[in-house]
Amino acid sequence: DTAVSQTPKYLVTQMGNDKSIKCEQNLGHDTMYWYKQDSKKFLKIMFSYNNKELIINETVPNRFSPKSPDKAHLNLHINSLELGDSAVYFCASSPPTGPAGELFFGEGSRLTVL
Amino acid sequence: AQTVTQSQPEMSVQEAETVTLSCTYDTSENNYYLFWYKQPPSRQMILVIRQEAYKQQNATENRFSVNFQKAAKSFSLKISDSQLGDTAMYFCARKGGGTSYGKLTFGQGTILTVHP
Repeated sequence: DTAVSQTPKYLVTQMGNDKSIKCEQNLGHDTMYWYKQDSKKFLKIMFSYNNKELIINETVPNRFSPKSPDKAHLNLHINSLELGDSAVYFCASSPPTGPAGELFFGEGSRLTVL
Repeated sequence: AQTVTQSQPEMSVQEAETVTLSCTYDTSENNYYLFWYKQPPSRQMILVIRQEAYKQQNATENRFSVNFQKAAKSFSLKISDSQLGDTAMYFCARKGGGTSYGKLTFGQGTILTVHP
């Protein structure tokens, strides 16, 4: 069973469209994250949720809206897509052991905006 | 800003040899955690090794070991007996407590190629 799963794995869309990426973890973790990996492979945190509550929002444009219906799911919705949104988006989760807990990553979702 | 810096964009090594990847970081916290992640061409992020800052002993995991120098804020990864499957991008990362709770800050990454 995949521990952290993201869908879709690949997404190609036109500028101006709205799209969503779904993430689910079956590890029983309390904390989930969204990271963005740009074309230079740099990984940067976007959001973090703990037990469905937002705890980190790293100056991400309002067009990005995370939603956590329960602690096993953290979805990412993006409105009015722009060319610069093209990237690989990683979902991750970590156990309730505080800062010592490693992050478990999904396989990433490659978003291409044309 | 509390940053993580990997000064080697690319490294290469012959199979069975040893290679060391460098990482330095900046932090004002006393308690934090350091990680090395591997990202092979499959794109999956895989944890290689973890170090807790309050532990002086360097972490080891089979062929992987770290040289943690807390005063110098340095956290290098040594890969012994390199294998073709070690070819990947390696990311150093720091995770702290306090207001940065849960946030993993990554370095720019080092592309490692293992040659047969």
